[in-house]
Amino acid sequence: AQTIHQWPVAEIKAVGSPLSLGCTIKGKSSPNLYWYWQATGGTLQQLFYSITVGQVESVVQLNLSASRPKDDQFILSTEKLLLSHSGFYLCAWSLGVENTLYFGAGTRLSVL
Amino acid sequence: GDSVTQTEGPVTVSESESLIINCTYSATSIAYPNLFWYVRYPGEGLQLLLKVITAGQKGSSRGFEATYNKETTSFHLQKASVQESDSAVYYCALGSSNTNKVVFGTGTRLQVLP
Repeated sequence: AQTIHQWPVAEIKAVGSPLSLGCTIKGKSSPNLYWYWQATGGTLQQLFYSITVGQVESVVQLNLSASRPKDDQFILSTEKLLLSHSGFYLCAWSLGVENTLYFGAGTRLSVL
Repeated sequence: GDSVTQTEGPVTVSESESLIINCTYSATSIAYPNLFWYVRYPGEGLQLLLKVITAGQKGSSRGFEATYNKETTSFHLQKASVQESDSAVYYCALGSSNTNKVVFGTGTRLQVLP
């Protein structure tokens, strides 16, 4: 069975501090990987996607970056957090051409 | 650009009543969109409820149905008789295998009263 694990579950960070969120998918080879972000009361916005190791496409510019160092790992990061980065971050994977997304439990980020 | 518009919540209905949550889409850069309904139950993660990838087809799951209508660019979610356990947030989404982008609506919070 496939599993997707996100870490950490929650973070409270100061403005200007760095951030690293992670996501690991087990049980699937070469999945497409995605990062989504949802501001409080807002909609889900796709931030990045990756179809292979080392390649990441940006969808929305939010002063964040993403990397895929291994086939089963997707990292979201920034060197300097903004207040506007607060929200809920979701990692997801998909296979094939139908774009069905399978989500992790998410990370809640509060930037103070 | 591509977008999804759905019923603004919260929507409150009583158990055993019928439900419809409207969803319309605009697919300006996608020739053959795939359409989805996702659901987030309280305390759980976001999960697929149903999907349809061919215009004119209907998808169904857990008593919910949605028909992909290309003429009206709609994908409304319906259930004949809701249960209290259907209380959740429902998201309509539009996807494309050509661009690896999936666009979500704003979500509709459904509360079913006992």
